[in-house]
Amino acid sequence: AQSVTQLGSHVSVSEGALVLLRCNYSSSVPPYLFWYVQYPNQGLQLLLKYTSAATLVKGINGFEAEFKKSETSFHLTKPSAHMSDAAEYFCAVRLAGANSKLTFGKGITLSVRP
Amino acid sequence: GAVVSQHPSWVICKSGTSVKIECRSLDFQATTMFWYRQFPKQSLMLMATSNEGSKATYEQGVEKDKFLINHASLTLSTLTVTSAHPEDSSFYICSAGGQALSGYTFGSGTRLTVV
Repeated sequence: AQSVTQLGSHVSVSEGALVLLRCNYSSSVPPYLFWYVQYPNQGLQLLLKYTSAATLVKGINGFEAEFKKSETSFHLTKPSAHMSDAAEYFCAVRLAGANSKLTFGKGITLSVRP
Repeated sequence: GAVVSQHPSWVICKSGTSVKIECRSLDFQATTMFWYRQFPKQSLMLMATSNEGSKATYEQGVEKDKFLINHASLTLSTLTVTSAHPEDSSFYICSAGGQALSGYTFGSGTRLTVV
């Protein structure tokens, strides 16, 4: 079975500072990995995904993540935080294959200080 | 891009009544729909997976007679919370799968409050 671990529940950064949200995965086979963002009372929006192509993945809103097999990690970064980045972020994993189910981490709340 | 329309956005109902939540894929065919429940400040918990034209597969601990899922067409899946009670109050989100390499598309969620 596959799983993801998101350490910590809350990250606070200053506007303009680097954003780093950590995600480690466990999977017996090469996984597909995802980062989603959720704003209050809304559904999830896909930020980026890794599906066994390039290990450095660029997503929307200036976010990117790097798949590191040796570290079983898929950390999310953004060089310069913006106030609008304040939200809940979820890392998720699933197996390859059509319509396999996503397994989510517990999520991290990102706060951005002016 | 792919869009999933979920309705209603919020609903308040009396204890003992039933509530239906709809999710429609607007510009693609959703062969599979996933239904999640999310408690405040928590992650998404998968409740069930529905495939068009067949019975839904429920996760362990989810009451299939309480949470009725219907996926009668490739563009519509519904979740009915039957005989709702206050403990069923939660945020319910659907997600449609249509392409093997895509991150699934999520609906905007339904906030259910049972009073």
